[in-house]
This record gives sequence, C-alpha cells and structure tokens, in this order.
Amino acid sequence: AQSVTQLDSHVSVSEGTPVLLRCNYSSSYSPSLFWYVQHPNKGLQLLLKYTSAATLVKGINGFEAEFKKSETSFHLTKPSAHMSDAAEYFCVVSDASGGSYIPTFGRGTSLIVHP
Amino acid sequence: EAGVTQSPTHLIKTRGQQATLRCSPISGHTSVYWYQQALGLGLQFLLWYDEGEERNRGNFPPRFSGRQFPNYSSELNVNALELEDSALYLCASSYLRGPSYEQYFGPGTRLTVT
Repeated sequence: AQSVTQLDSHVSVSEGTPVLLRCNYSSSYSPSLFWYVQHPNKGLQLLLKYTSAATLVKGINGFEAEFKKSETSFHLTKPSAHMSDAAEYFCVVSDASGGSYIPTFGRGTSLIVHP
Repeated sequence: EAGVTQSPTHLIKTRGQQATLRCSPISGHTSVYWYQQALGLGLQFLLWYDEGEERNRGNFPPRFSGRQFPNYSSELNVNALELEDSALYLCASSYLRGPSYEQYFGPGTRLTVT
C-alpha cells in the first residue's frame, strides 16, 4: 500500500527567501515520487519526478527535491521564492502495488509568498 | 503539441440531473485518468481508462461512470447528481501505463450542483 503526507497545509514566505515544502511517503515497493503545482483555477503541472535514479532531482522554475529513503521523505525546496510561486503544491507517490498504477496524492500545501 | 483539453469549462446542474464531462488526451497518450477535487479534500481518484478499457476505479458510487472512445478521448458521466458532487473534475493522460510515468492534466471542469 502507498500513502503520502504533506506535513504543512500552508507555508508562508517572503519573496526572495527559501522555500521548503515537506512530504513524507509510505510504500511497500520502490516508489516513484512526483511534485505537481496547481495555480488558481488551473490544472496540475509537473514540477519534477523521482524514479530511482539520482536522489537529488531538479525540476522546473528552480525547484528541486531530495529523495531520502531512510527518512521516507521527498521535500521540495527552492533557494529564493518568487511571487509567481504562490500556488498549491501536491506531493504524489506511485508504486506497482497490486498492478493498479494509480498514484496517491497528498492533501496539498498552499504556498503564500509575501512581497 | 496540444495539451489535455476538457469541456465544458463550467457546468451548472440541479440535483437529480445528469452531467457529462469530456476529455481529450495528448496525442499519442492512451491512458486517461479522472479525478475529483472537492474543496478541502485534495484529489480523489475516480476512474482509469487505458486502450478503451476501464482498468481501475476509485471509491465512488456506480452513478459515476465513463468510457473511452477509439480515439482515446473519454467522457465522465455522473447520474442522479447530489449537492456534494460539486467539485473541479480533472482529467489527466499519460503515454504509457506504469508507476513511473507522469500524468499530464487538463484545466478541469467546474461542476456546480444546485
């Protein structure tokens, strides 16, 4: 079985400061992990994904995430927040359990960026 | 390359009516997924179609159904609408089936049931 927990429902930062969005996962298999972003009234856009290659994954718009198996975490970071980063972020886990290939989405973290 | 498209953008129905939502995947993608995003509940998996077949469904009642056409487009039907069906319905497509393949999302259909 797979599950994912986003540890913060809201994160508030000032423009130009670092961003940290936390995600813990549970999986019985070697999981694939994803981060998606959703801007207001839009669909979801893939930021980055981990699929058992390099543990530090770089994505679009300066975001990156590190897969830590020992901590079952996949936290999303960005060195310097921009106003346009304000959005909802979803951590997603997917494994081959039961052959269903259905990903599990976290509840989302709302990133608020103050000028 | 065109992305995933969904229609209509907004849909207003009254309780007890039926709603039909449509989705066109990215060209070459054979898998289509449907999700419900209700306020405060995150994304809930509804249905997965691949190569014209329903492969999996989430924990939703049978009045949520759908199909996938030979051109891989898909429609979601919701019968006997209830107020709690009001949500953003998202369609996603992927090129291949498997846990490591990302999904590409459409902009969604906002369904309001009054």
